[in-house]
Amino acid sequence: GAGVSQTPSNKVTEKGKYVELRCDPISGHTALYWYRQSLGQGPEFLIYFQGTGAADDSGLPNDRFFAVRPEGSVSTLKIQRTERGDSAVYLCASSLRVATDTQYFGPGTRLTVL
Amino acid sequence: QKEVEQNSGPLSVPEGAIASLNCTYSDRVSQSFFWYRQYSGKSPELIMSIYSNGDKEDGRFTAQLNKASQYVSLLIRDSQPSDSATYLCAVASGNTPLVFGKGTRLSVIA
Repeated sequence: GAGVSQTPSNKVTEKGKYVELRCDPISGHTALYWYRQSLGQGPEFLIYFQGTGAADDSGLPNDRFFAVRPEGSVSTLKIQRTERGDSAVYLCASSLRVATDTQYFGPGTRLTVL
Repeated sequence: QKEVEQNSGPLSVPEGAIASLNCTYSDRVSQSFFWYRQYSGKSPELIMSIYSNGDKEDGRFTAQLNKASQYVSLLIRDSQPSDSATYLCAVASGNTPLVFGKGTRLSVIA
């Protein structure tokens, strides 16, 4: 079946602009995760959804970052007033039910803030 | 603060040798342990998961878990150049999200 998909694959924006990154999880997976990965680092947790609600948003770095999953499937990560330090690969993953289930990753969105 | 530690490498092994990758974690109540492989410019893909103490084998890969020592390792037998990648150790407990190490870069020399 189809895996996790993310769009766009690349996004270049200017400092101060607003961006939206989209994730479409594996069908039937109730848990969805957003991570951010910088060069030479492992993925860093941002937010975790169980169904429509954010079960854990402790990884969001500040209030410029926000994510939604209104129908319990597709999720959008929103970043306001982007900064150069936001440049990274944003990875989405999904798992069947809970965090201890195997997580399957999408291809990522490479965000570059100029 | 939950931490997962890995040697960043690079770890270089000759083709056909055994590659040994190690990981330690700080949270004693961790329950689930994962090894992901990540090729340059690609997203992580799951290699192995392990939940109980001891060894778990899958083809050329063996994961080893020692909860008392808070240590998990991955052995790759008969290493191939195509195994050259970064290997990420990840740990989860209960319903908490995965905590990843920084990864170990493996280079298999033909």
